Amino acid sequence: AQKITQTQPGMFVQEKEAVTLDCTYDTSDPSYGLFWYKQPSSGEMIFLIYQGSYDQQNATEGRYSLNFQKARKSANLVISASQLGDSAMYFCAMRAPGGYNKLIFGAGTRLAVHP
Amino acid sequence: EAGVAQSPRYKIIEKRQSVAFWCNPISGHATLYWYQQILGQGPKLLIQFQNNGVVDDSQLPKDRFSAERLKGVDSTLKIQPAKLEDSAVYLCASSLSGGYSEQYFGPGTRLTVT
Repeated sequence: AQKITQTQPGMFVQEKEAVTLDCTYDTSDPSYGLFWYKQPSSGEMIFLIYQGSYDQQNATEGRYSLNFQKARKSANLVISASQLGDSAMYFCAMRAPGGYNKLIFGAGTRLAVHP
Repeated sequence: EAGVAQSPRYKIIEKRQSVAFWCNPISGHATLYWYQQILGQGPKLLIQFQNNGVVDDSQLPKDRFSAERLKGVDSTLKIQPAKLEDSAVYLCASSLSGGYSEQYFGPGTRLTVT
């Protein structure tokens, strides 16, 4: 069965510094997709970045990059130049096999950015 | 482009009462999802619709939860009767298709069962 593990319940970072949020996954399917979402206190889930299992390059989207290590089954999110508005919950998710776009989420990491 | 709309935003009920949540997806999105997010956990998929047909309801507690998506547009999720453990945020999401397309989430409905 597919599983996502986020071992950091909470992280804090100084404004303008970089931070890495950890995510490990478990799947026996060779084709999968990995996502990171941000959930601010308002509640909605905001898509940040996507990495496909066959993608050769690590995904990047502005200040977000994904450190994808397939052999270790890890997909860590790196946020560069942290801003106060980055304070939120961050969820790692994996698309389950079967073609129906079902997402399996980890428990999340709460990030606090300090001025 | 309008996002996914949900109502109500908050609801407090007593156990054994019934409650209904409404979701209006982004226009043109064929696939609609309902997730349950218990405090301190990530969202868990309850049910997924492709147009007005169910493609996955494997984690929906069917003895008390029901959902429908008439006409393939908006959707209603109902709980009857509610239990204390149903206290959670109920998130609705939609995507263009059920394949590899991005899911867009609504703001959620926070349910408290007392």
